Amino acid sequence: VIWMTQSPSLLSASTGDRVTISCRMSQGISSYLAWYQQKPGKAPELLIYAASTLQSGVPSRFSGSGSGTDFTLTISCLQSEDFATYYCQQYYSFPRTFGQGTKVEIK
Amino acid sequence: QVQLVQSGAEVKKPGSSVKVSCKASGGTFSSYAISWVRQAPGQGLEWMGRIIPILGIANYAQKFQGRVTITADKSTSTAYMELSSLRSEDTAVYYCARAGDGGDYFDYWGQGTLVTVSS
Repeated sequence: VIWMTQSPSLLSASTGDRVTISCRMSQGISSYLAWYQQKPGKAPELLIYAASTLQSGVPSRFSGSGSGTDFTLTISCLQSEDFATYYCQQYYSFPRTFGQGTKVEIK
Repeated sequence: QVQLVQSGAEVKKPGSSVKVSCKASGGTFSSYAISWVRQAPGQGLEWMGRIIPILGIANYAQKFQGRVTITADKSTSTAYMELSSLRSEDTAVYYCARAGDGGDYFDYWGQGTLVTVSS
């Protein structure tokens, strides 16, 4: 099983801030990593796959980087609609696993 | 546009089973893996298993092995997840999700089905 450490678990920020979320793997996964956004009561939505490829329709203020064991999601200029919980997910091996989540809240 | 529509909420007794459906429309059902992911109240996401309909082959997370069965009916473009020997800890929202073109990331999700296990 590949264990994922996502940090921070809670991030307080203001509109316009640049925020970064980290996801660290217990072993290398090449670039088989995705990021999701989830709002309360809703299904998650795909933001990024293959570590850095932006899903169609996702604003360009979202970006992903990293490979191997260390990955980052960056939101360059936080908007009001970005306050949500974010998850990373690896699809390198079974079982597929998710990070514990990062809740981005209004400061 | 791909849509995944799940069956409605369920209330089950401990020890019983539940079967949740996920009907796909707007895409090629058989070629893409369908995974099931659950989320307990206030908790994170947990992958349970997946099936590739065109192959009929399922993979399961070790945690659920022996308790979960994932199937697919190509004729109706519907995937199913059955979980047996239910306990209170299985109370969660269950999602189906379709794999993307390049791997097992999930580009389309169902709306979720709340399963409540209570005596």
